[in-house]
Amino acid sequence: GQQVMQIPQYQHVQEGEDFTTYCNSSTTLSNIQWYKQRPGGHPVFLIQLVKSGEVKKQKRLTFQFGEAKKNSSLHITATQTTDVGTYFCALSSGSARQLTFGSGTQLTVLP
Amino acid sequence: GAVVSQHPSWVICKSGTSVKIECRSLDFQATTMFWYRQFPKQSLMLMATSNEGSKATYEQGVEKDKFLINHASLTLSTLTVTSAHPEDSSFYICSALRNHNSPLHFGNGTRLTVT
Repeated sequence: GQQVMQIPQYQHVQEGEDFTTYCNSSTTLSNIQWYKQRPGGHPVFLIQLVKSGEVKKQKRLTFQFGEAKKNSSLHITATQTTDVGTYFCALSSGSARQLTFGSGTQLTVLP
Repeated sequence: GAVVSQHPSWVICKSGTSVKIECRSLDFQATTMFWYRQFPKQSLMLMATSNEGSKATYEQGVEKDKFLINHASLTLSTLTVTSAHPEDSSFYICSALRNHNSPLHFGNGTRLTVT
């Protein structure tokens, strides 16, 4: 099935700095979703991207879907300690809409 | 919003015993539920797709006789880890699909520790 590579694996930033995580696929994706998982918690849906070149914003979070629909990014502007967690991209596929998760980027925000 | 309840949130059991984990969709009917496993510092790996009224579909490498899944109603799926061993210690998370146009809703997860 389709797979997606996610980088970096870990990212430490000082509070107020920006953060970006990237997902890349060798094949064209029909869609991509982003989730956030706080330490000890469960994944929480952030957004789904479907269209080529799509850009969506949620406050300080900006999500992009590449023109070729083979990559996506999540950018956080001016990180806060509440942004701590692991961010996953995920592909929805199959008739049952199974999710295949990327490896995740663990974000640490230093106060 | 859609709520998925998972129980228990944590369990410690002895090697060789069986553990049942419940996943309930509280305010919607879920014809499809998914079971994921997550080892420390790793991503979520799909174990199986649970369909109401039919047999679950297991991912490659997941033993169906060890991880028994029952989806007897539109709001409840259960995962039973049979004859648990220490290597089964992990974070098990269920998710439910409300409809094909909505995102997945996850339960809070069950942290299983087998001693």
